Amino acid sequence: AQSVTQLDSHVSVSEGTPVLLRCNYSSSYSPSLFWYVQHPNKGLQLLLKYTSAATLVKGINGFEAEFKKSETSFHLTKPSAHMSDAAEYFCVVSSYGGATNKLIFGTGTLLAVQP
Amino acid sequence: NAGVTQTPKFRVLKTGQSMTLLCAQDMNHEYMYWYRQDPGMGLRLIHYSVGEGTTAKGEVPDGYNVSRLKKQNFLLGLESAAPSQTSVYFCASRGTAFEKLFFGSGTQLSVL
Repeated sequence: AQSVTQLDSHVSVSEGTPVLLRCNYSSSYSPSLFWYVQHPNKGLQLLLKYTSAATLVKGINGFEAEFKKSETSFHLTKPSAHMSDAAEYFCVVSSYGGATNKLIFGTGTLLAVQP
Repeated sequence: NAGVTQTPKFRVLKTGQSMTLLCAQDMNHEYMYWYRQDPGMGLRLIHYSVGEGTTAKGEVPDGYNVSRLKKQNFLLGLESAAPSQTSVYFCASRGTAFEKLFFGSGTQLSVL
């Protein structure tokens, strides 16, 4: 079975400092992994995806994530946080099988950005 | 282009009451999903549909029913609401790119 574990429920950074949101995955085969972002009172939006091509994946708004098979990790990073990055971030793994692929969501990491 | 529209946005129910949440998408997507979001638990899949006239159970289907009579609409029903169903409900749809879900803005439901 596939699963993801987001290691931090809350992360607080100062504006202009780096962001690191951690995600470990478990999968019995080569996974597809994603990060979604949810701004307050909004639906979720796809931030970036890894689907077995390049291990360093670039997403929207300056975010990127690196797939590390040896560490079973897919951490999300950004060099310099902006106030508008404050949101909840979900690490997601695909689950294959049955009539359709399904996405399995982590429990989320709430990112706060201090001025 | 409206995308995915959920109605209503907020609702308060008493225990035992019934209601239907409506999800409509205008992107001609085959796949539609209902999730519930609870603090510290991420999103959990309730039911999903792979096309008009089809539905299937997700992770947490008990207490909910769904229908997909038209391709653009996916209805989530609560026949007898319980306080445990207090949650934020999200509808999503997708086309052929299986990872790119398009989400509605959510329905906040409170069951007293």
